[in-house]
Amino acid sequence: DAMVIQNPRYQVTQFGKPVTLSCSQTLNHNVMYWYQQKSSQAPKLLFHYYDKDFNNEADTPDNFQSRRPNTSFCFLDIRSPGLGDAAMYLCATSGRTGGSGANVLTFGAGSRLTVL
Amino acid sequence: AQSVTQLDSQVPVFEEAPVELRCNYSSSVSVYLFWYVQYPNQGLQLLLKYLSGSTLVKGINGFEAEFNKSQTSFHLRKPSVHISDTAEYFCAVTRTFGNEKLTFGTGTRLTIIP
Repeated sequence: DAMVIQNPRYQVTQFGKPVTLSCSQTLNHNVMYWYQQKSSQAPKLLFHYYDKDFNNEADTPDNFQSRRPNTSFCFLDIRSPGLGDAAMYLCATSGRTGGSGANVLTFGAGSRLTVL
Repeated sequence: AQSVTQLDSQVPVFEEAPVELRCNYSSSVSVYLFWYVQYPNQGLQLLLKYLSGSTLVKGINGFEAEFNKSQTSFHLRKPSVHISDTAEYFCAVTRTFGNEKLTFGTGTRLTIIP
């Protein structure tokens, strides 16, 4: 089945130790998103790629970076995780090509980050 | 900008009873509306969406929602809930043109009581 796969599902890191989360998709969608979801809160958009065009949200800290080497893969890098970065990180994709039509997102199962 | 309000943060319901989860939105332009479900330690799964046409939308797992433009609401309903419906439910909105980022509500935790 076409899907969005996130690895690892659970990541434990130490304060300040860099971490990379990965996302792969078999849907051939051109848009990929990274959301941060803290406990009992709504998902918060960090950034998204429209093809290779990177779009950063204004309030996303510089500590968060992303790479998209090809259509299928996208990475979230947290350069120096703090305790406040502990959260579920959700990757999502959509097949939007611009213009009319609904932006329906397909989510991965998430990567839960714990910072010690 | 669009916004979504889910007034109920937690809703406990007895098994086999009906449930309604409320969602109101605010937007100056036309919108698409969505309900997503999130089971514990999982990503979000699309339950249903309203794009156009009939205001009553049917989704997966027996859920349905009704778009009410005059009341700017998109409430989610199920006539008879099951234990497996225990999850977090998020209402979301996006405008129909331009920058179509999805805006989520704060979620409603549905707990089914046996």
